[in-house]
Amino acid sequence: EDKVVQSPLSLVVHEGDTVTLNCSYEVTNFRSLLWYKQEKKAPTFLFMLTSSGIEKKSGRLSSILDKKELFSILNITATQTGDSAVYLCAVGTGTASKLTFGTGTRLQVTL
Amino acid sequence: GAVVSQHPSWVICKSGTSVKIECRSLDFQATTMFWYRQFPKQSLMLMATSNEGSKATYEQGVEKDKFLINHASLTLSTLTVTSAHPEDSSFYICSAKALTGEQETQYFGPGTRLLVL
Repeated sequence: EDKVVQSPLSLVVHEGDTVTLNCSYEVTNFRSLLWYKQEKKAPTFLFMLTSSGIEKKSGRLSSILDKKELFSILNITATQTGDSAVYLCAVGTGTASKLTFGTGTRLQVTL
Repeated sequence: GAVVSQHPSWVICKSGTSVKIECRSLDFQATTMFWYRQFPKQSLMLMATSNEGSKATYEQGVEKDKFLINHASLTLSTLTVTSAHPEDSSFYICSAKALTGEQETQYFGPGTRLLVL
């Protein structure tokens, strides 16, 4: 059975802090790893990673994948209150690119 | 690009009734759409994979006769919750596969909150 584990489950930081969210996986037929941000509604796409060691960056967010050690991290620098959300990691497998989601990390950024 | 819509955004119904949820890809064609369910404070659980013009593939433990999926066109998939019961109350989200550059990515609809009384 495919498994995706995220840590920590929840995190409270002060505005301006840097956070690192972790995602490890055990799946068959890996195709890609995706990060999503979920606020009150459906998840919004952040990154898709398919190759090891290549950092993807978007503003204050960045992510990298290690296919040998089977994990990925999502970094958020200079956090803002608007970053408060649940961050979901999902791994795509098989020809249908079926996604298996982790339980998410709930991030709260306080003033 | 890659916008997915869902309708309705929320629905309240009586136990025993059927509810249909529509998922549309607005600016692209999606041969494959996915239906997920999310209970409060839990992650998304894949229910089924919907392929245009063929039968849906259901995940283990999901009753295909209860959750009817129809993917009649390249831009529309529907999920019908038949004879809904209170335990079916959940957040239902669809996604559609789209090409981002050369890679396939799933884009999510805004979700439908279902409350069965």
